[in-house]
Amino acid sequence: GENVEQHPSTLSVQEGDSAVIKCTYSDSASNYFPWYKQELGKRPQLIIDIRSNVGEKKDQRIAVTLNKTAKHFSLHITETQPEDSAVYFCAASMGDSNYQLIWGAGTKLIIKP
Amino acid sequence: GAVVSQHPSRVICKSGTSVKIECRSLDFQATTMFWYRQFPKQSLMLMATSNEGSKATYEQGVEKDKFLINHASLTLSTLTVTSAHPEDSSFYICSAPVYGYTFGSGTRLTVV
Repeated sequence: GENVEQHPSTLSVQEGDSAVIKCTYSDSASNYFPWYKQELGKRPQLIIDIRSNVGEKKDQRIAVTLNKTAKHFSLHITETQPEDSAVYFCAASMGDSNYQLIWGAGTKLIIKP
Repeated sequence: GAVVSQHPSRVICKSGTSVKIECRSLDFQATTMFWYRQFPKQSLMLMATSNEGSKATYEQGVEKDKFLINHASLTLSTLTVTSAHPEDSSFYICSAPVYGYTFGSGTRLTVV
């Protein structure tokens, strides 16, 4: 079955700098790759997603890149702000029609003032 | 957008008692609901997938007699933790595969 690995487990960056979180997946049939932000005790919040027919997607300070050949995708956050501090999860799925999400282990992002 | 309402948000129960967690889809019909458990500082772990009108599918290692899932209607899925023990204390959250994946707000269960 699908396996998603996420690195690093903790990332500390200076406010204003960029942060990059990377994930790899194992099943080439996966075609939907969302990224979630989770604050303590809250539900995961979708921040950006990408499908396998696209190589890159950007939404203001957040971007996701996908390399299907290498089976990896990355989250890029630019001009980081204190409110970006949270745990970020990547996930993979074979689509959003009743297919389960396979989750990465999470990255705790710490923005240093 | 789609909303999944999950209740209760927090519950404390005594060891040996049962707790029911409800997830309702407010503005859409959910034929499928995923149930997750999340321990502190860990990722979401899929426990089971409920399907309206049929038996739930449990992940390996999840006791179906302990975690009872019912999906009797297109707008309500429930998870009952039976004979709860302290090790069942966790954050439980449901998710419907609609508009991507729509999550409930989660339930913090503490068993004392």
